[in-house]
Amino acid sequence: DSGVTQTPKHLITATGQRVTLRCSPRSGDLSVYWYQQSLDQGLQFLIQYYNGEERAKGNILERFSAQQFPDLHSELNLSSLELGDSALYFCASSVGGGTTNEKLFFGSGTQLSVL
Amino acid sequence: AQSVSQHNHHVILSEAASLELGCNYSYGGTVNLFWYVQYPGQHLQLLLKYFSGDPLVKGIKGFEAEFIKSKFSFNLRKPSVQWSDTAEYFCAVKSPPYSSASKIIFGSGTRLSIRP
Repeated sequence: DSGVTQTPKHLITATGQRVTLRCSPRSGDLSVYWYQQSLDQGLQFLIQYYNGEERAKGNILERFSAQQFPDLHSELNLSSLELGDSALYFCASSVGGGTTNEKLFFGSGTQLSVL
Repeated sequence: AQSVSQHNHHVILSEAASLELGCNYSYGGTVNLFWYVQYPGQHLQLLLKYFSGDPLVKGIKGFEAEFIKSKFSFNLRKPSVQWSDTAEYFCAVKSPPYSSASKIIFGSGTRLSIRP
C-alpha cells in the first residue's frame, strides 16, 4: 500500500459529461501530481500542486482542471468528455519542496471509460 | 520541451540473462533521474534515483543505472534477471531539480517479460 488513495477506482460515463477524480496524498506529503496513462501515449504528466498552489503544468487540456485543497487532497475535474479521454488517471504524492529524498508514491489509479 | 525516450517497448529475456533498458532524455539543464517499476497488479514504485554524485546508482532488487551526462542517458541494468522481474519499467526526469515546482516526465515504458 503506497498510502495514496484515489477514488473512484472505476468510472463509466458518457461523452459530454463531467467527472471529478479525487486523490488523498500520503500523510505528510505536500506535493500532488496527476498523470494520464493511455495505451498509445504512455504516462503523460498533467499538473502538479504543492501545498495548495499549482506549481507545474504539463499537457493538460483546457477542459481539464484541478485543485489542491487546504487538507492537501486534490481533485481533477474533467469536463465535456470525449471518447479519447478514456484512460487510467494516476495521482502521485511526494514530500515536495525539492528535497533529495523526493520520490513519488502512486495511487492505484482511476480507470475512466467514456462511452 | 523536455522529453524522455525509452526505445525498447517490449523486451523478452530468459531467466539469468543480463538486462539493459535504454533511457534518453532531452533537457539542457540539471535534472534528477528515476526508474520506476510497475509489477502486475501493483502500484508504480521507485526502483532507483540519481540526484548527484556517483553516476552509478544502485537500487532495489539488484538493479543499477548509470547516468552518462554527455549522452543524456540513464540506462537501467541488471546482471541476471529473474522471473519475478517481469514488469513494466518507466524512466523519469525531474526538472528543474531541487524545486517545489517541477515536472516529472515519464518515458513511455518498457514491458519486460522473463521466460522461466
